[in-house]
This record gives sequence, C-alpha cells and structure tokens, in this order.
Amino acid sequence: QQQVKQSPQSLIVQKGGIPIINCAYENTAFDYFPWYQQFPGKGPALLIAIRPDVSEKKEGRFTISFNKSAKQFSLHIMDSQPGDSATYFCAASPTQGGSEKLVFGKGTKLTVNP
Amino acid sequence: ETGVTQSPTHLIKTRGQQVTLRCSSQSGHNTVSWYQQALGQGPQFIFQYYREEENGRGNFPPRFSGLQFPNYSSELNVNALELDDSALYLCASSPGGPNSPLHFGNGTRLTVT
Repeated sequence: QQQVKQSPQSLIVQKGGIPIINCAYENTAFDYFPWYQQFPGKGPALLIAIRPDVSEKKEGRFTISFNKSAKQFSLHIMDSQPGDSATYFCAASPTQGGSEKLVFGKGTKLTVNP
Repeated sequence: ETGVTQSPTHLIKTRGQQVTLRCSSQSGHNTVSWYQQALGQGPQFIFQYYREEENGRGNFPPRFSGLQFPNYSSELNVNALELDDSALYLCASSPGGPNSPLHFGNGTRLTVT
C-alpha cells in the first residue's frame, strides 16, 4: 500500500518557470512532511519541511503549500534554474514513530531547460 | 564537520551470498537509519538504530540485519542475497529528537547477479 502518492512522475519546464510537484498522503498520523532533492549518484538532500500547523512555508525559491483537510501538500520552485534539474521526493512521517522513519513518494524527475 | 560516508560505493555479489555495508554518521549524530532505493523509486525505510539498539523496522525480512557501534557508525548486513536486493542502499544519520532532519550519505550501489 503506497502511503504517499506523488505526481507528476516527470516534469519539464523552461528556465524561470514555476514547476509544481504534488503529493497526497493517507495516514492521518503523519505530521512531518519534508521534501528531498536528489542528483544522480548522490544521496537525497533535505530541501524544506513543514508541519501541519502551518499552511505554507518558504525557504528561498522553494515553497511548500499544505492542505490538511485534503491531506495534500505541494512543492513550488520559483524562478527555476537549470541547476534545479534533479529528482524531487516528498516524504512523511509520524512524530510518534520518529521523523527518521520516513515514507517517501516515488519521485518526480524535473528538467529545467535553459 | 564531515558528513555521512558510506562504503563501498559499488558492489557486485552473486545470488545467495552475504554482504556487509558500512556507514559513518555525521559528527554529533546518534541515530542511524538505513533505506533501500530501487531504481526509479523512492527510498524505503529498512530500520533505525539509536544508541546501538534497533529502534524501528520497516517491511523487510530478517535476513536484513544491522549493527550500530559505540561511535555511532553502523553496518547493514544482508544474507542469502536475492536478485531483487539489487538497489542503492542509503544510510542517514540525525541528531535524534522530533522532526530531526535526516542527512543522507551517497549510498552503496549493490548489484546481485
């Protein structure tokens, strides 16, 4: 049973565009929602994370929007650059279980064309 | 401050063999988690170690086992390797506590033939 569904599987935008990646979760015990960025040959790196007590969080060009009632959250990348081309993963975990026990989505491969 | 380091980077094994993967935690981190990432998929949680004891396990069979040492480094052992065990194995450390960010290493690419 896939607990975190991520879409789209792949995404191509032009430089300066605003790619949006969406995730939906099922487990209402989830209360920590990070996004990770992974380049080929590298491990995932934490980009930004949110908890359900806020509806939006911004860090630089990255914004998470969170809709608790719909059990959905999304990542927006403002003014995207070719260097943002990578695979992005959403994830979720329950605090009770420990934030280290993340459930990941299947990933979105983002390509930003110059 | 050194990050999470894993060894070896690549490994080729034959079905039925056993393998040990190693991980050195980031300085100051007492919690280590292991994840399996199949090609084109997201990482899947295998287990976590905190102060040398297993502290949670994902949906993996007992032939996946681990250790954490007093210096917080860790090993992942897989017995009776199967073809489906071919994947990138990721180690992640964290300082522990609620919502502690995970710091991943670059993984070990295991190929089982």
